[in-house]
Amino acid sequence: DVKVTQSSRYLVKRTGEKVFLECVQDMDHENMFWYRQDPGLGLRLIYFSYDVKMKEKGDIPEGYSVSREKKERFSLILESASTNQTSMYLCASSGDRVANTIYFGEGSWLTVV
Amino acid sequence: DQQVKQNSPSLSVQEGRISILNCDYTNSMFDYFLWYKKYPAEGPTFLISISSIKDKNEDGRFTVFLNKSAKHLSLHIVPSQPGDSAVYFCAASLSGSARQLTFGSGTQLTVLP
Repeated sequence: DVKVTQSSRYLVKRTGEKVFLECVQDMDHENMFWYRQDPGLGLRLIYFSYDVKMKEKGDIPEGYSVSREKKERFSLILESASTNQTSMYLCASSGDRVANTIYFGEGSWLTVV
Repeated sequence: DQQVKQNSPSLSVQEGRISILNCDYTNSMFDYFLWYKKYPAEGPTFLISISSIKDKNEDGRFTVFLNKSAKHLSLHIVPSQPGDSAVYFCAASLSGSARQLTFGSGTQLTVLP
């Protein structure tokens, strides 16, 4: 079974703090994704990575950056957290670029106060 | 402007009856459609998909119908079971690509025993 692990399930951070959300997958997948899920808005893509050190902006990249130094690990970085970044963050991976092969992690609930 | 809409935030159905979840989209270029199921404290999992060249796809108790002229798809669950209680996300893709997935806002299905 594919496992996508998000190390932090619940975080509370202060405005202006730098926040790291870590994601690890164990299936040697090339593609990894970060989404945020907000009520009434569904899942929105923040960043996508198709290989080590390669990244692409998604639909809402502002205020975020990412790092992919190893194939299995994809980090989401909030350089200076703001209250409007309070959300549920979902990491996902897929072995190819086909939509029905995406596997999601359990999510990280981030509250910025 | 949301390109994929799920207008019903919630739906309650009696066990054994049919559940019908609806989804509308605006972009006629979408050619691949998916449903994901999400339990609390878990990531979404892929449920069923349909290509735009078909109008129906069935997998056990789950059937997805696609009406391209109306830009509408629906998920039918027959018979509904209490374990089906979850949030269901509709998603649409360009060329079946995971990078080009657009999600709806989700519908909370509750199946009453």
